[in-house]
Amino acid sequence: DAKTTQPPSMDCAEGRAANLPCNHSTISGNEYVYWYRQIHSQGPQYIIHGLKNNETNEMASLIITEDRKSSTLILPHATLRDTAVYYCIVRVFNQGGKLIFGQGTELSVKP
Amino acid sequence: NAGVTQTPKFRILKIGQSMTLQCAQDMNHNYMYWYRQDPGMGLKLIYYSVGAGITDKGEVPNGYNVSRSTTEDFPLRLELAAPSQTSVYFCASSEINSGANVLTFGAGSRLTVL
Repeated sequence: DAKTTQPPSMDCAEGRAANLPCNHSTISGNEYVYWYRQIHSQGPQYIIHGLKNNETNEMASLIITEDRKSSTLILPHATLRDTAVYYCIVRVFNQGGKLIFGQGTELSVKP
Repeated sequence: NAGVTQTPKFRILKIGQSMTLQCAQDMNHNYMYWYRQDPGMGLKLIYYSVGAGITDKGEVPNGYNVSRSTTEDFPLRLELAAPSQTSVYFCASSEINSGANVLTFGAGSRLTVL
């Protein structure tokens, strides 16, 4: 599985968009990008995933660059409850979810 | 649906004791996993199972055993507890095919070995 690189921490003002970057320059053609988040002491929560097209759901949007070497998770109107560690994971689709969690980005949403 | 249920939520063990962390899911998921998370660190995969009767090692399997006799249950056994096994343990499950990489996690079991 391709390795991912994320900034260790980010701040965001409440009500503003939070843009979380992820670098996956060694991603291969059949690997998807998955995002999870972990709110303090809780189990991780799935957010969104994509292959090459931009994706949106009720939680977030995922923007993947055309060369697929990086992506950005967008929380359009961050709230205090979005404060969490966000994990970007690359994995071949349907290959049994042996997800490898790195250090992630600790997002702090401030009032 | 309850999702993924883990018991106990908290446990303190003495060095050398044994215990089993229980995990049950009611979503009829084929895949189940055990992760551990040390303070300030990401999750590490201990063991996983692709179906009843089939288990395999993850990144950090030493000191643990698992079994999968039913689709619903995936217990994690610690035979000789050591301080290095102090951690938060998360069980997760996912369905096959399109949902294989969308994991549903339990609330976690916090284990302290003294």
